[in-house]
Amino acid sequence: ELKVEQNPLFLSMQEGKNYTIYCNYSTTSDRLYWYRQDPGKSLESLFVLLSNGAVKQEGRLMASLDTKARLSTLHITAAVHDLSATYFCAVSWNSGYALNFGKGTSLLVTP
Amino acid sequence: EAGVAQSPRYKIIEKRQSVAFWCNPISGHATLYWYQQILGQGPKLLIQFQNNGVVDDSQLPKDRFSAERLKGVDSTLKIQPAKLEDSAVYLCASSSRFGNEQFFGPGTRLTVL
Repeated sequence: ELKVEQNPLFLSMQEGKNYTIYCNYSTTSDRLYWYRQDPGKSLESLFVLLSNGAVKQEGRLMASLDTKARLSTLHITAAVHDLSATYFCAVSWNSGYALNFGKGTSLLVTP
Repeated sequence: EAGVAQSPRYKIIEKRQSVAFWCNPISGHATLYWYQQILGQGPKLLIQFQNNGVVDDSQLPKDRFSAERLKGVDSTLKIQPAKLEDSAVYLCASSSRFGNEQFFGPGTRLTVL
């Protein structure tokens, strides 16, 4: 059974600070996804990482993938309040690339 | 490009009643997924379609849940009869093909009393 673990589950950080969210998964997979969810809203795709060593950046967010360690990171640079949301990592697990999600990291950025 | 549409957005029913949710994926997307998201958790796959065929329904509680995608476009998810533990947000997602990013609809929030 594929398990996806995120940490931390809750994160409160000050504006302007840097932080990293970690995502570990238990079995081999060839792609990893990061999504953002605002309260009461649906999921917004942030990144799709397809290969070992892949790195993608969008604004203040940067995601990386180490398939050998089965680890992905989502790095936040100089956080701003607008980044407050829940961030999910997900790993595809079946032949149809359905997603197995972590529990999510609830991020709160405070002044 | 229009996104994934779902209806209704909210539904409140009593236990043992029946309910149905509808999803219209992005035009041209062959792959459609239904996920259940319980409060405080990540979404969990219920069923996956490729065109009008089922790819995976291993996590669908088939004694009470059913889904169809008869013409390979719209899909309906039904619960009959509902239990308290079915209270959740039901998310529909679609992708152009296997492995591509999935685009999620706004979800249907179900409350079972």
